[in-house]
Amino acid sequence: ELKVEQNPLFLSMQEGKNYTIYCNYSTTSDRLYWYRQDPGKSLESLFVLLSNGAVKQEGRLMASLDTKARLSTLHITAAVHDLSATYFCAVSNYQLIWGAGTKLIIKP
Amino acid sequence: ETGVTQSPTHLIKTRGQQVTLRCSSQSGHNTVSWYQQALGQGPQFIFQYYREEENGRGNFPPRFSGLQFPNYSSELNVNALELDDSALYLCASSLRQGNAAQYFGPGTRLLVL
Repeated sequence: ELKVEQNPLFLSMQEGKNYTIYCNYSTTSDRLYWYRQDPGKSLESLFVLLSNGAVKQEGRLMASLDTKARLSTLHITAAVHDLSATYFCAVSNYQLIWGAGTKLIIKP
Repeated sequence: ETGVTQSPTHLIKTRGQQVTLRCSSQSGHNTVSWYQQALGQGPQFIFQYYREEENGRGNFPPRFSGLQFPNYSSELNVNALELDDSALYLCASSLRQGNAAQYFGPGTRLLVL
């Protein structure tokens, strides 16, 4: 059974700091997704990572994938308040299996 | 290009009732997936439809059923509602079945009293 674990589940940080969210999964998969969800809103696609060593960057967010370690990271550089949200990783195994989410609060 | 839409946005039902939620997929997408997201949790896969056929199902009882229509829009039906069915129900559409990137609608928030 494919399981996806994210950590931390909650993160409070100051603007301008860097931090990393981790996503571990239990079996092989060919695709990993990162999504953002604002309170009471739907899910917004951030990144799709397709292969080992894949790295994608958008603004202050950078995602990477290590399929051998079954690990993906979402790195936040010089955080700003607008990045406050819950971030989910999801792994494809015919269906999408989701992590529990990381609630990120960025304080001015 | 029209995105994924869902209706209604909010709904209140009582235990034992039945509910139908609707989803219009993004233009050109032929696959629709439904998810249940309880408060403070990640989405849970309910099922997926591809070209009007169920194409995979998560760990949900048979009282959760669905349909996909020729225009690729979809319905989620839940019979005999239980309190634990209270959640945000998300519909996502994609270009093809399997592992394609999914685009989510705004969701329907269901409260069962």
